[in-house]
Amino acid sequence: EIVMTQSPATLSVSPGERATLSCRASQSVSSNLAWYQQKPGQAPRLLIYGASTRATGIPATFSGSGSGTEFTLTISSLQSEDFAVYYCQQYNNWPRTFGQGTKVEI
Amino acid sequence: EVQLLESGGGLVQPGGSLRLSCAASGFTFTTYAMSWVRQAPGKGLEWVSGISGSAGTTSYADSVKGRFTISRDNSRNTLYLQMNTLRAEDTAVYYCAKGSDSSSRYFFDLWGRGTLVSVSS
Repeated sequence: EIVMTQSPATLSVSPGERATLSCRASQSVSSNLAWYQQKPGQAPRLLIYGASTRATGIPATFSGSGSGTEFTLTISSLQSEDFAVYYCQQYNNWPRTFGQGTKVEI
Repeated sequence: EVQLLESGGGLVQPGGSLRLSCAASGFTFTTYAMSWVRQAPGKGLEWVSGISGSAGTTSYADSVKGRFTISRDNSRNTLYLQMNTLRAEDTAVYYCAKGSDSSSRYFFDLWGRGTLVSVSS
């Protein structure tokens, strides 16, 4: 099983600031990496797939990069609605595995 | 409208059974693989099981293998999860998730709101 490790566990930032979230895979997943956003009481929402492609309707303030085992999600200018938990997930191998999440808070 | 709507959750005793359903609408159901993903209270996301569009291929997490069975009725646009021999650690919100395509390497591009399963005596 591929283990996905996210860092940091919690990221404290101010509105308008830049946030950088990291995700590491225990073995290569190529570019088969997705990012999801989850707000309290809501289902996850797809943000990024293919490591760097924004999903439909996702603003350009969100960007993803990386391949192989190291990945980054960047939120260029945090808005109030961006404070949430972010999960990375590999879809290169079975079982599909998620990182433990990064909580972005004020 | 493209959506997934789960149902069937509830409180069940350890060792009991439950069947979850997920009604899909707004897209060609048979074209896409589907999965169940769960989230224990206050915890992260855990993939549970997946099924191909044709229902010819299924896969399970080790934690549920032999106890859970995924299936789909493409004539009813509905996904199911039969859960047997439930344990306390199966307590979670169960999400239905749509695969992005029909290939074996798919991510989840649409999620339902989830249904809560509580296993307790």
